[in-house]
Amino acid sequence: EAQVTQNPRYLITVTGKKLTVTCSQNMNHEYMSWYRQDPGLGLRQIYYSMNVEVTDKGDVPEGYKVSRKEKRNFPLILESPSPNQTSLYFCASRKSVSGNTIYFGEGSWLTVV
Amino acid sequence: TQLLEQSPQFLSIQEGENLTVYCNSSSVFSSLQWYRQEPGEGPVLLVTVVTGGEVKKLKRLTFQFGDARKDSSLHITAAQPGDTGLYLCAGVHKLIFGQGTELSVKP
Repeated sequence: EAQVTQNPRYLITVTGKKLTVTCSQNMNHEYMSWYRQDPGLGLRQIYYSMNVEVTDKGDVPEGYKVSRKEKRNFPLILESPSPNQTSLYFCASRKSVSGNTIYFGEGSWLTVV
Repeated sequence: TQLLEQSPQFLSIQEGENLTVYCNSSSVFSSLQWYRQEPGEGPVLLVTVVTGGEVKKLKRLTFQFGDARKDSSLHITAAQPGDTGLYLCAGVHKLIFGQGTELSVKP
């Protein structure tokens, strides 16, 4: 079954404690991206990756890092989380940058206190 | 930066009413998509529009892509409570989203 899997689904953490949200897809997709969703702001793109070792900033990259060392995984790293990073995060993937079918993970609720 | 502006941001209507949601940009898009999202879940694709002037229908939902491919609209006829949700438009190439329209249909 085609899947994008995010972990953890729910996390409460404290300011400054580094955390990683993992994202894995089993479809051999080239393109992966991370979004955060806040009320009234839709989904805002944090980072995207067009292929292994190719990553680029989206609209709201500050405070986040990503890596793409292998095709299936695209972790989102918060080196020093702050309360304004409390949000719902989605990972997404598609076959290529021109692919129309996008697969979303189930979302990760992150609270930074 | 390509931006997509959706309007209205919130819409509360009675069952049976018609409504239209707009998605506008100053940029040209090769294609646009519309999604519907339930609380706590990922967006679910409703339609992809590719050709300027294209109209696609999905039961009571009608989607239109502007002739210049800078805007799109979603029209719902005779809205039902089951239509309640967040509707998002997205530019496909860079996969950027509008801010969404929160629709509430009351019985």
